[in-house]
Amino acid sequence: DAGVIQSPRHEVTEMGQEVTLRCKPISGHDYLFWYRQTMMRGLELLIYFNNNVPIDDSGMPEDRFSAKMPNASFSTLKIQPSEPRDSAVYFCASSLGRPRGNQPQHFGDGTRLSIL
Amino acid sequence: SQQGEEDPQALSIQEGENATMNCSYKTSINNLQWYRQNSGRGLVHLILIRSNEREKHSGRLRVTLDTSKKSSSLLITASRAADTASYFCAPSGAGSYQLTFGKGTKLSVIP
Repeated sequence: DAGVIQSPRHEVTEMGQEVTLRCKPISGHDYLFWYRQTMMRGLELLIYFNNNVPIDDSGMPEDRFSAKMPNASFSTLKIQPSEPRDSAVYFCASSLGRPRGNQPQHFGDGTRLSIL
Repeated sequence: SQQGEEDPQALSIQEGENATMNCSYKTSINNLQWYRQNSGRGLVHLILIRSNEREKHSGRLRVTLDTSKKSSSLLITASRAADTASYFCAPSGAGSYQLTFGKGTKLSVIP
């Protein structure tokens, strides 16, 4: 089975540019999570979706960040405009919500984002 | 969701030795999960232990849970160089779908 697929794996861009990160969750999973990992702050949950609907976006740092899930097999995380402090590794994860909560999350290999 | 705190922050052992890392949390949980992260990769789920379980095994991994002390431990027996990674615990309450990760324990297994 294919795991969670993220693209691109690496992104280097200049400050002020728009950045779009992409994620394909595992087929059949109904929960999707976006995380950001830095040395200083560790792994932070940014937003998560259930059945394509955003449930909790309290971790999104600023209005420059937005996330969408137009269908069950695709999600994007967009930063516009990007700033150097957004440099981090961004992970997408998916999980099943049934038969009960707290199912294991399956992570992609992340997008390493560098904003110059 | 609540965050677990892993201890120690870093651990260095020789290949073949056992590695033990601990996790503490603050409020009652429904279950607790352990994850591994190899350098440059995403987290990989290792094991989930429910609040009514005290011990669980998976291959060379043994996880214990003490809900009275609000703590868990992960034991890796007969460690290998390939076990070099960061290990995270994620305690979770009933009905919670999100996980909060701590800083992890960075394990180095020296060949």
